[in-house]
Amino acid sequence: QLQLQESGPGLVKPSETLSLTCTVSGGSISSSSYYWGWIRQPPGKGLEWIGSIYYSGSTYYNPSLKSRVTISVDTSKNQFSLKLSSVTAADTAVYYCARLMIGLDSSRFDPWGQGTLVTVSS
Amino acid sequence: NFMLTQPHSVSESPGKTVTISCTRSSGSIASNYVQWYQQRPGSAPTTVIYEDNQRPSGVPDRFSGSIDSSSNSASLTISGLKTEDEADYYCQSYDSSNHEVFGGGTKLTVL
Repeated sequence: QLQLQESGPGLVKPSETLSLTCTVSGGSISSSSYYWGWIRQPPGKGLEWIGSIYYSGSTYYNPSLKSRVTISVDTSKNQFSLKLSSVTAADTAVYYCARLMIGLDSSRFDPWGQGTLVTVSS
Repeated sequence: NFMLTQPHSVSESPGKTVTISCTRSSGSIASNYVQWYQQRPGSAPTTVIYEDNQRPSGVPDRFSGSIDSSSNSASLTISGLKTEDEADYYCQSYDSSNHEVFGGGTKLTVL
């Protein structure tokens, strides 16, 4: 059964770079059928897509975050990573990684990692 | 780009039926499939409906999905409501630039 696990610092200072890694187990990140995505959820608010990556390195980013986001993949470690630069308190959120199942006119996040809370504070 | 608009909250009694809407702001709702996720407090979202009206294995048939081109919206219907259905529900689709879009979420209260 495929599982995803986020890891990284739970506290980041304002203006610094948030870095998270998602480790995939129970399956290969190099599968041709899937992308891999990052989604975040500020406390008490809704879900926001951050970006997605294919095992080849092809990426798509939320236009509202594109200037600050970098998503990369390491197929040898079965991991993909998120970097968000110049963070502010508005970036405080639970960050989820998820597999993105792509079909004809379809995309679905399944499964999701458990999520990790990242707080931006000095 | 488009937005997906959901009601902020809905409430209904156990045993009843509730419908949550998800309205697409531009472009046809039928252009790209809609997914629905359930999120219980403190947990990650899970899929309850994918590709407009498909149920993943393990999701009860009390959950159903549909789209209505006349209102340009998708709907999630839950029948025979149980207290365990109380959760936040999100719709999701994507645009022609492969950008994923989530609705703002609907809090379902079963009282």
